[in-house]
Formats: sequence, C-alpha cells, structure tokens
Amino acid sequence: QVQLKESGPGLVQPSQTLSLTCTVSGFSLTSNSVHWVRQPPGKGLEWVGAIWSGGSTDYNSALKSRLSISRDTSKSQVFLKMNSLQTEDTAIYFCTRLWRTVAPFDYWGQGVMVTVSS
Amino acid sequence: DIQMTQSPSFLSASVGERVTLSCRASQNINKYLDWYQQKLGEAPKLLIYNTNNLHTGIPSRFSGSGSGTDYTLTISSLQPEDVATYFCLQRNSWYTFGAGTKLELK
Repeated sequence: QVQLKESGPGLVQPSQTLSLTCTVSGFSLTSNSVHWVRQPPGKGLEWVGAIWSGGSTDYNSALKSRLSISRDTSKSQVFLKMNSLQTEDTAIYFCTRLWRTVAPFDYWGQGVMVTVSS
Repeated sequence: DIQMTQSPSFLSASVGERVTLSCRASQNINKYLDWYQQKLGEAPKLLIYNTNNLHTGIPSRFSGSGSGTDYTLTISSLQPEDVATYFCLQRNSWYTFGAGTKLELK
C-alpha cells in the first residue's frame, strides 16, 4: 500500500541547513509527484515545494532562495534541503503525494518535528 | 497569491447537530478546493476533493459544495470522532491552505 515516511534531525541550530528525507513505498516517483508541507506548532499548513514525476521542481516563492528538493528514484526517496534556518522554520514537516497534477494530496507521511534552536 | 479565509475559527456543536464550515478564496478557484481533517498529533486526512467529491472511505455525513470563491463543508450529523481541526486547500493556482476551523463538542 501507499506509504510515505519522513526522517531527519529533530534539532537544528539557527543559520544551519536542514536535511530531510521522505521514503516512499507503494508507488513510483517517476509517475507521481511528492510535495512538502509544513506546520508550525499550533498553526496552519504551508506548502513548501514539490518534485514532479519528471524530476522538475517548484518552490514556495517565500522560501525559494533557501530551498532545494531532489530525489533518488532507485531508493524511492525525496530530499528536502533548506539553508539559513531561523526559529520561524520550526515546524512539523510532512511529505505528501500527488498522483497526477490535478489530483488532491491523498496520502501523507506522519510528519517530522524540526526545532530550530541553539 | 490566492488567500484562503476560513470561518469560523472555532466551533462548538452537539452530537447529532448539523455543522457547516466555510472557506472563501480571494479569487475564483474553479472548484479546485479540498477539505482535510486533522486530529491532534496526526497528519491531515483528505475528506473532500474538487469541492464535492467524497474521498474513499470517508463517511457520507461529510459533504462539500460551492463555486467561484465560496465553499462549504457540511457534517450532517456530528459524531464524537469528528472533533478535529478542518482545513481547506485551494489547488487552482499553486497551493494555499486556510487557517483552519477547530471543531469541538458542546
């Protein structure tokens, strides 16, 4: 069945780089896109960015200068890298699937909490 | 950028009551509007997509409607397990979530 699972460090120091991995199963990265969505504690959801089935990427314009999303299709993994982290980047980071461009986000990972603090 | 405004922010209702949640977009989103349910400590769960399509396995007491800029999620008979925060999401132009409606039992 379709599954997504995020992994990464729980604590990152300010100004450092965040690296997260989304490991997927039950579907192919070459025919589905994977998106990242984050949620600061007690707040709403924010779309972060995406890697499409063809390998192209799109990013939230507010985060674009600090963000990079890539993938390893052989390992069914998607990677998020965000640099120059600030306390405002503290959030739960979710990865989620879009099985085609006009489809909704139907499957989500359980999320990984990232705290930016010294 | 498209802004999404949800109302109310908080809602308290009784078991069996009909509940209506609203979401308004800053411009026409052509029915590319989804509703998610999020319980404490869990990932969002898709309920309704493209305004009025019930996702697989979602109880029929949930329904959606709307067009243009105004959209509604209705729970026909509130159940205790429906206590959660509900988010709308527009997919017409990139992706924007509403701030959420927190639904509690009275």
